[in-house]
Amino acid sequence: QLQLQESGPGLVKPSETLSLTCTVSGGSISSSNYYWGWIRQPPGKGLEWIGSIYYTRSTYYNPSLKSRVTMSVDTSKNQFSLKLNSVTAADTAVYYCGSLNSSGSYPYVDYWGQGTLVTVSS
Amino acid sequence: SYILTQPPSVSVAPGKTARITCGGNNIGSKSVHWYQQKPGQAPVLVIYYDSDRPSGIPERFSGSNSGNTATLTISRVEAGDEADYYCQVWDSSSDHHVVFGGGTKLTVL
Repeated sequence: QLQLQESGPGLVKPSETLSLTCTVSGGSISSSNYYWGWIRQPPGKGLEWIGSIYYTRSTYYNPSLKSRVTMSVDTSKNQFSLKLNSVTAADTAVYYCGSLNSSGSYPYVDYWGQGTLVTVSS
Repeated sequence: SYILTQPPSVSVAPGKTARITCGGNNIGSKSVHWYQQKPGQAPVLVIYYDSDRPSGIPERFSGSNSGNTATLTISRVEAGDEADYYCQVWDSSSDHHVVFGGGTKLTVL
């Protein structure tokens, strides 16, 4: 069973870059059966998909965030990361990492991290 | 981009059946996944591929998908089922995007 754990600063200043890392345990990030994704949830609001990355480093980003998002994977550490630049208060949210099971044609998130609250404030 | 529409809220008495819908253009041609999220917790997968249940999810949870509507059905609702529920699809037509519905708050009366 996979376990995912987010890590990174809980407070980011406006206009700066939000950086988070997700550490995967219980399985390999190089598995061909998974994409690795970031999802966020502003306080009191719904889930928003940020993007996904495959172990081959192919990336897929939400069009609404694409200009500000970079995702990467470190297979040696079994980690993947998110960078979101030029943040504003609207980027304040709980950020989740998740494993997108792609063993079939329609991936779904079968394991989630516990989530980490990132607040954008000066 | 593909849009999923859920009712903001559904209310049901204990022991009754709750139905939460997820609307989308020809959603029946896609596979729909459902997540349950309780306050302060990460979402949990309750239904995948329209109607499959992960291990540990009660049989009271079921799903269907046809035409323009997918439905999550919770039978014999319990107080512990009170939560937000989200549907999700994989929109391969738009560069492999994950799409979530807006979520439905299930209230057990």
